Amino acid sequence: EPEVTQTPSHQVTQMGQEVILRCVPISNHLYFYWYRQILGQKVEFLVSFYNNEISEKSEIFDDQFSVERPDGSNFTLKIRSTKLEDSAMYFCASTSGTVNSPLHFGNGTRLTVT
Amino acid sequence: AQSVTQLGSHVSVSEGALVLLRCNYSSSVPPYLFWYVQYPNQGLQLLLKYTSAATLVKGINGFEAEFKKSETSFHLTKPSAHMSDAAEYFCAVSEEGGSYIPTFGRGTSLIVHP
Repeated sequence: EPEVTQTPSHQVTQMGQEVILRCVPISNHLYFYWYRQILGQKVEFLVSFYNNEISEKSEIFDDQFSVERPDGSNFTLKIRSTKLEDSAMYFCASTSGTVNSPLHFGNGTRLTVT
Repeated sequence: AQSVTQLGSHVSVSEGALVLLRCNYSSSVPPYLFWYVQYPNQGLQLLLKYTSAATLVKGINGFEAEFKKSETSFHLTKPSAHMSDAAEYFCAVSEEGGSYIPTFGRGTSLIVHP
């Protein structure tokens, strides 16, 4: 069964550095998402992406964050200047696009900001 | 606006005992409801979903959930817990006519004792 893949599985970075988290969604899916999960807390929506542009974003997704689909397969999340509170598990997800279609998640990237 | 409340951040059961994980939702329109499971170091996987067909929904690994509109609930059950069921469980809701962005609950950690 096709799956969403994320790299790296774990990223350690220093405060103020830029990081790029990478995702390859399922190939025939149309909607792409980033969620994050701070340790012990709920899974929080960051941003959704459709037709090569952001369709919705949460208040968490401020100017430090950006997303790109640079080619036909990759979907990236960039954090421009990381803060300690950005430490979390970041999940990429994709779906075919109907409202009752479940999201397919990657295994996540654990970001640790020191 | 849609929201989900999962009662109990941790549920502990003995192997062979009934599993009951609670989820209550809030939605202004007919909801679509999902349960996802997250095993350690993995992404979220779909267990089951409710999409306005049968109110009792059967999922993978022997889990099922019943949609009760009068109680705005979608509790997850399994008659007999296995050690392999130990994981984090997330309830999620999206709305008919809404965006393709499900809202997740805080998650319930299921602990299974031998």
